[in-house]
Amino acid sequence: LAKTTQPISMDSYEGQEVNITCSHNNIATNDYITWYQQFPSQGPRFIIQGYKTKVTNEVASLFIPADRKSSTLSLPRVSLSDTAVYYCLVGSREYGNKLVFGAGTILRVKS
Amino acid sequence: EPEVTQTPSHQVTQMGQEVILRCVPISNHLYFYWYRQILGQKVEFLVSFYNNEISEKSEIFDDQFSVERPDGSNFTLKIRSTKLEDSAMYFCASRLTDRVTYEQYFGPGTRLTVT
Repeated sequence: LAKTTQPISMDSYEGQEVNITCSHNNIATNDYITWYQQFPSQGPRFIIQGYKTKVTNEVASLFIPADRKSSTLSLPRVSLSDTAVYYCLVGSREYGNKLVFGAGTILRVKS
Repeated sequence: EPEVTQTPSHQVTQMGQEVILRCVPISNHLYFYWYRQILGQKVEFLVSFYNNEISEKSEIFDDQFSVERPDGSNFTLKIRSTKLEDSAMYFCASRLTDRVTYEQYFGPGTRLTVT
């Protein structure tokens, strides 16, 4: 499984766009990039998944450059309720789709 | 929106006792998982379950742990003889298909406290 590196924490203010970058230098050809969100004392929640270029849903966008060695989760116009831990995960179907979580990025949104 | 449910929300038990944590995955999902999260630490994979058998388990999932899907709706995690270090949040998750997707739906968790 590719190792991922992301900032330990980030601070932002309400209404700003937040970009969290994840490094995964050893990503394999079959690997997908997935982001999860976790609020305190709750289970993780799927945000978005991608393989290359850009993916967008109603919650976030995921930017993946051509070399796929990094990815950026973009949260538009964050609110206080977006304060959470954000996890970048990389994996392939070979690993049975189990999720391997790292430490994640603690995002604090201030008013 | 369908959701994964878990009971109880909090379980307190004494060291050496058996506990069963219960989960009701989303009804048409096929893949089931247990994860745990020790306070202040990362979420750790325990076991995955498909077609009524374990498909993968981690080193944490030793002989003290077992899983079962006793009927068409429940998915349980049993710890035979709890240790202090088993204290953690235990999350059940489920996934719909065999496609390459990492979209798992997590339950709210059971906080297990071993005293």
